[in-house]
Amino acid sequence: GENVEQHPSTLSVQEGDSAVIKCTYSDSASNYFPWYKQELGKRPQLIIDIRSNVGEKKDQRIAVTLNKTAKHFSLHITETQPEDSAVYFCAASTGAQKLVFGQGTRLTINP
Amino acid sequence: SQTIHQWPATLVQPVGSPLSLECTVEGTSNPNLYWYRQAAGRGLQLLFYSVGIGQISSEVPQNLSASRPQDRQFILSSKKLLLSDSGFYLCAWSPLGVPSTGELFFGEGSRLTVL
Repeated sequence: GENVEQHPSTLSVQEGDSAVIKCTYSDSASNYFPWYKQELGKRPQLIIDIRSNVGEKKDQRIAVTLNKTAKHFSLHITETQPEDSAVYFCAASTGAQKLVFGQGTRLTINP
Repeated sequence: SQTIHQWPATLVQPVGSPLSLECTVEGTSNPNLYWYRQAAGRGLQLLFYSVGIGQISSEVPQNLSASRPQDRQFILSSKKLLLSDSGFYLCAWSPLGVPSTGELFFGEGSRLTVL
């Protein structure tokens, strides 16, 4: 089955700097790659996703890139703000009825 | 609009006791339903998913079980809890027919502590 590896497990950046979180997946048939944000004590919520026919997608300060050949995808957050502090999860799906998540990255934005 | 409810929010149970976590979805029909467990440093681990009443797929061998007695009800159970069952359990749903291209909507979670 699908296996998703995510790193780093923790990331600390200065406010205003950029943050990058990377994920790799094992199943070349995976075609959907969402990113979820979980604030402390709250439920995970989708922030951006990308499909296998697209190499990059942007939404204001966040962007996701996908390299199908290398089987990895990344989340980029620019101009980080304190409210970006959270745990971020990547995930992958092959088109079956389920998502496989990475281990999560705890992002801390230092003022 | 669709909503998902999950309860109880927190519970503390002794080892060997039974468990029942319940999840219901409102405002939609025939949802895909999921149980995930979130343990420290291990991300979101898929435990069970269901595409219809009585249809349960298990992802991880363990002493937990799931049932879907009604279209929008999903129950996570155990006959005898282990210490290792402690964690944060999340129920989620997605629209049927949108298996990998749709958003997962999570409940607020249930924090289980087994002593």
